[in-house]
Amino acid sequence: DTGVSQDPRHKITKRGQNVTFRCDPISEHNRLYWYRQTLGQGPEFLTYFQNEAQLEKSRLLSDRFSAERPKGSFSTLEIQRTEQGDSAMYLCASSLFSGTGTQETQYFGPGTRLLVL
Amino acid sequence: AQKITQTQPGMFVQEKEAVTLDCTYDTSDQSYGLFWYKQPSSGEMIFLIYQGSYDEQNATEGRYSLNFQKARKSANLVISASQLGDSAMYFCAMREGPGGGADGLTFGKGTHLIIQP
Repeated sequence: DTGVSQDPRHKITKRGQNVTFRCDPISEHNRLYWYRQTLGQGPEFLTYFQNEAQLEKSRLLSDRFSAERPKGSFSTLEIQRTEQGDSAMYLCASSLFSGTGTQETQYFGPGTRLLVL
Repeated sequence: AQKITQTQPGMFVQEKEAVTLDCTYDTSDQSYGLFWYKQPSSGEMIFLIYQGSYDEQNATEGRYSLNFQKARKSANLVISASQLGDSAMYFCAMREGPGGGADGLTFGKGTHLIIQP
């Protein structure tokens, strides 16, 4: 039983560079979520997909952030022109949504730690 | 206003004792779900337990139970017979609305639990 995987686990970049993170969800899960977690805080929701459709993106932090899930399987989160304030843990989670009113538990990956110098 | 409030930034507990981690929430939705996650120092968020707003019984999962008091809007996590491996950050989270997912999960700031031998 393979859980959610994320790659890379750690990324160090210089300010102004673009970075891309990958998330592979649990195979039968149809929803995929991205969160950001800064030091001393709980995760903060960014965006999510149901299959290949991005159903919520207004919570992305700025227009430098974008996410894709082209075939409804893996997803990528890209940050363009990184800033030092982007340094954080980026978490991906997946879930099986089977209708309203049902329990939908999100299972998280190990995260990608980003450090912007 | 905070949607999820965890008032205990840190707790020290003796091994084998029971521990209660506090969580209060704020929502005007009638249908919502409450979750607890554990985050060890490795960073991965581990799902522990779920309580739906319409569930009449308090949720239990092994050594974890949820003390759900709907009128008080509290959802405290109880860990019985604590173990050294329980040392971690613990996050309370909420999903609002019958459809779920639209805004992802809202997390509290967490409680850092340290189990002492």
